[in-house]
Amino acid sequence: DTGVSQDPRHKITKRGQNVTFRCDPISEHNRLYWYRQTLGQGPEFLTYFQNEAQLEKSRLLSDRFSAERPKGSFSTLEIQRTEQGDSAMYLCASSPMTGGGGNTIYFGEGSWLTVV
Amino acid sequence: EDQVTQSPEALRLQEGESSSLNCSYTVSGLRGLFWYRQDPGKGPEFLFTLYSAGEEKEKERLKATLTKKESFLHITAPKPEDSATYLCAVGGFKTIFGAGTRLFVKA
Repeated sequence: DTGVSQDPRHKITKRGQNVTFRCDPISEHNRLYWYRQTLGQGPEFLTYFQNEAQLEKSRLLSDRFSAERPKGSFSTLEIQRTEQGDSAMYLCASSPMTGGGGNTIYFGEGSWLTVV
Repeated sequence: EDQVTQSPEALRLQEGESSSLNCSYTVSGLRGLFWYRQDPGKGPEFLFTLYSAGEEKEKERLKATLTKKESFLHITAPKPEDSATYLCAVGGFKTIFGAGTRLFVKA
């Protein structure tokens, strides 16, 4: 299966600790996205990459959040000094790169974060 | 600002009872209207992409339609395995999602 892969699937951490999530996109996809989803809500856009360049960041992405995509392959999302409000599912998605931006994005299974 | 509103929030159907889910949107320029299915604890699974008013797409018991202001997801003779949350989204360089409709189909 060559879908979007996320790791770990579940993470429980104490408030104040740092956590890192990894995403491996579909191999031929140039664009990679991070979303956050809380119970009863749709996914909220956090950031996206085109190859290795981070092209847009949501205002939801505070200074404690950082995302990287070295060499345009896998991506990491790090949350520093976690807070209870960071508890959510973090979704990674990817899409091919064609002009206009209206590409279908394909999601991974998500990484659940619980901050205690 | 792009916005997506889905209704109803939840829908309970008997097996075989057809119905429709609504997605209203406001965008500066539609670059795609997407439907996803999401099972509890999992990531959204892609169903359909629609690009222009009048377009329709079908998959098994599901049919998606698009007008200039809204999209419908029609479910014909649903089965219990169709129970899930259905998400609507509008595309651009960042895809914007609605809150979803939680569908429950009882046998």
